[in-house]
Amino acid sequence: AQTVTQSQPEMSVQEAETVTLSCTYDTSENNYYLFWYKQPPSRQMILVIRQEAYKQQNATENRFSVNFQKAAKSFSLKISDSQLGDTAMYFCAFMRYSGGGADGLTFGKGTHLIIQP
Amino acid sequence: GAVVSQHPSRVICKSGTSVKIECRSLDFQATTMFWYRQFPKQSLMLMATSNEGSKATYEQGVEKDKFLINHASLTLSTLTVTSAHPEDSSFYICSARQTTAVFEAFFGQGTRLTVV
Repeated sequence: AQTVTQSQPEMSVQEAETVTLSCTYDTSENNYYLFWYKQPPSRQMILVIRQEAYKQQNATENRFSVNFQKAAKSFSLKISDSQLGDTAMYFCAFMRYSGGGADGLTFGKGTHLIIQP
Repeated sequence: GAVVSQHPSRVICKSGTSVKIECRSLDFQATTMFWYRQFPKQSLMLMATSNEGSKATYEQGVEKDKFLINHASLTLSTLTVTSAHPEDSSFYICSARQTTAVFEAFFGQGTRLTVV
């Protein structure tokens, strides 16, 4: 079984600053994806960014980027030029896949990110 | 992006009754749907995996007789909480995957269940 650990229950930064959310995971699988999801107060899960484990290049989506260290099993999320709308819960998630399909997601406990004006 | 609609968004039921939650993929066929449970200020926990036309696979510790899952078509999965008790009160979220993109999960809006 795999585990996902987010060690920062809550973080607070000023608007326009850069913030990094940490995530580590433990697995013996070779084929997997890692994700960061955002859950605003509406509780709708929103995909922020996705990383395929076999890709060495770190994924980037506009102001969001990851630092994927496969050997260290680390997958941190960097948010640049943070905005008030970034305030939300952020969950790191793991998904195993094989030729037969993909499993459900294993989520970390989440980090509550607060962007201060 | 693909849309997953979950209904109802909120439901209050009396202890001992059953309640059904629907999860529909509106613009794609979802061979696999997942049901998660989220307690207040906690993470999402996978309850079960639902494949169209077959029995659901439940995670360890999830009572299959209490949480009945049906995935009768490629666009609809239902979760029925039977003989609900106050401890079943929670936020339930479904997600669906397209056959052609197993790495992408689309989430419903969630259902807040309160058992009184």
